[in-house]
Amino acid sequence: AQKITQTQPGMFVQEKEAVTLDCTYDTSDQSYGLFWYKQPSSGEMIFLIYQGSYDEQNATEGRYSLNFQKARKSANLVISASQLGDSAMYFCAMRGSSGYSTLTFGKGTMLLVSP
Amino acid sequence: DAGVIQSPRHEVTEMGQEVTLRCKPISGHNSLFWYRQTMMRGLELLIYFNNNVPIDDSGMPEDRFSAKMPNASFSTLKIQPSEPRDSAVYFCASSLDRDQETQYFGPGTRLLVL
Repeated sequence: AQKITQTQPGMFVQEKEAVTLDCTYDTSDQSYGLFWYKQPSSGEMIFLIYQGSYDEQNATEGRYSLNFQKARKSANLVISASQLGDSAMYFCAMRGSSGYSTLTFGKGTMLLVSP
Repeated sequence: DAGVIQSPRHEVTEMGQEVTLRCKPISGHNSLFWYRQTMMRGLELLIYFNNNVPIDDSGMPEDRFSAKMPNASFSTLKIQPSEPRDSAVYFCASSLDRDQETQYFGPGTRLLVL
């Protein structure tokens, strides 16, 4: 069974600062994918970034980067230069290699960016 | 390119009524997922289709819920009869069976059953 743990229910950060949202996972699969999604107050789920278990480099997408530490089974999201629009719920998710494409989601972290 | 399209965006109905939620996946995607999101239970996968065939429906709560995918560009999730505990946001997502298989979500349908 796969499990995603996000231990931070809420995080506060000031505008223009960097913030790290934690995510740890548990799986017995050798091949898997890790995803981060953003859910603003409007409700939509927005894909942010992907990291494959065999990727040697940490994934980056603009101001988003994924700090992937395979031995620790962690996939933390780093947001640089926070903006007010980054205030949202953030979900970490994993897809295993069982043959199914389904995702296991964490419970999410609410990020609030203050001016 | 159009993303995943869901309708209606909001639905208010009375207990016992039939509710039908609709989804049009991204063109070319061959996997489709229905999720339910509530404060208490978070995001739950209800059912997953691949190439229009239901692969995993273990998340469907009970017989009141049914889902169909008659073709590659359309899926429905039906609740009959609806109950107040079905109130939630229902998301449809689609992905392509290749590479990352990233799931792209629709805007969701906010369902309120009175």
